[in-house]
Amino acid sequence: EGQLVENGGGLIQPGGSLRLSCAASGFIVSSYYMTWVRQAPGKGLEWVSGIYSSGNTKDAESLKGRFTISRVASQNTLYLQMNRLGVEDTALYFCAAATGDPGAFDIWGRGTMVTVSS
Amino acid sequence: DIRMTQSPSTLSASVGDGVTITCRASQYMSISLAWYQKKPGKAPKLLIHTASILASGVPSRFSGSGSGTEFTLTINSLQPDDLATYYCQQYSSLSPTFGQGTKVEIK
Repeated sequence: EGQLVENGGGLIQPGGSLRLSCAASGFIVSSYYMTWVRQAPGKGLEWVSGIYSSGNTKDAESLKGRFTISRVASQNTLYLQMNRLGVEDTALYFCAAATGDPGAFDIWGRGTMVTVSS
Repeated sequence: DIRMTQSPSTLSASVGDGVTITCRASQYMSISLAWYQKKPGKAPKLLIHTASILASGVPSRFSGSGSGTEFTLTINSLQPDDLATYYCQQYSSLSPTFGQGTKVEIK
């Protein structure tokens, strides 16, 4: 059974950058649609960014190009580069995979917390 | 982006009751809809995909229906373990979107 483990979260000052990682086991990251989803404290789930098996990517328009999703096949790992962070980016960041029905995320990590504060 | 609106925002029911959550899309989206269960401190869990197909290992008391712009998640015979927030998610467009969530409380 597939598993995902996120890392890289922490406390960062406004305007700073952070890179999150998501290590996969039990399946091949580059074979499936992978995504990042976040949940701000007390709020609902928000889709952030996705990368297709083709390598094409798509980000939420609200991010205004500040975040970049990528993957390294040799490491079987997904990444999220986050730049120009603001307090509104404070959230628990989950990575997820759609290994069955494309677009329906059936494997999730436990999340990594990002706190943007001065 | 396709906007997803869930109702109700919160519902309270007794163990054994049947409950229904509705999700409406701002535009037509066929059956590219999933439902997730989210418990505090845990990762979301896929319950339903393609509007009505039960994900592997999900109890049969969960069911989904609908197409186009209106979808429902039904829990037959609510169990204490079903205390959670439920989200719908569309994947008809290149930018998936989630509903705002429905919190299910046990009376």
